Amino acid sequence: TQLLEQSPQFLSIQEGENLTVYCNSSSVFSSLQWYRQEPGEGPVLLVTVVTGGEVKKLKRLTFQFGDARKDSSLHITAAQPGDTGLYLCAAPEGGGSNYKLTFGKGTLLTVNP
Amino acid sequence: SQTIHQWPATLVQPVGSPLSLECTVEGTSNPNLYWYRQAAGRGLQLLFYSVGIGQISSEVPQNLSASRPQDRQFILSSKKLLLSDSGFYLCAWSPALTGNIQYFGAGTRLSVL
Repeated sequence: TQLLEQSPQFLSIQEGENLTVYCNSSSVFSSLQWYRQEPGEGPVLLVTVVTGGEVKKLKRLTFQFGDARKDSSLHITAAQPGDTGLYLCAAPEGGGSNYKLTFGKGTLLTVNP
Repeated sequence: SQTIHQWPATLVQPVGSPLSLECTVEGTSNPNLYWYRQAAGRGLQLLFYSVGIGQISSEVPQNLSASRPQDRQFILSSKKLLLSDSGFYLCAWSPALTGNIQYFGAGTRLSVL
């Protein structure tokens, strides 16, 4: 089973600050997804990255897939309280399985007003 | 567009009682279906997945079972709940033939007392 390690586990910042969270593995992935989960809700897909070195932007969120496709980062510019939530990265489990995702344990972000 | 419905949103059950959580998907055919459990707002543990009617794969042996009586219906059951079954249960679907993007329901908060 491939492991995805996310860091930091917890992050508490003030509104307006910038932040970066990371998703790392020793395995190579065909793609990687980022989800955001608000309290009491299911995760919602933010982005999928496929190509090594790929950078995708979603408003104030910037996602990068490592050149070797083993890691990814999420950078948030000028964080807002609405960005609060659990950020999960996920990748296809591989090993011939096209049906399952491996999830990291997430980064719990709190943005204080 | 596709939608996923999961109910109930919250459930309080006594130890030893049965359980039935239901999930339905609309707007797609032959989806892959998944049941996850999430502990304390952290990572997701895959419990069961299904790639077709009557086809269930169990990931973690435990006090739960799953069934898929119809193409877009997935049910999580238990004959006798344990205290350790408490948690946040999430249903998800992905397009047929691939599981590398999954779409989640709103979740069920189960408390076993």
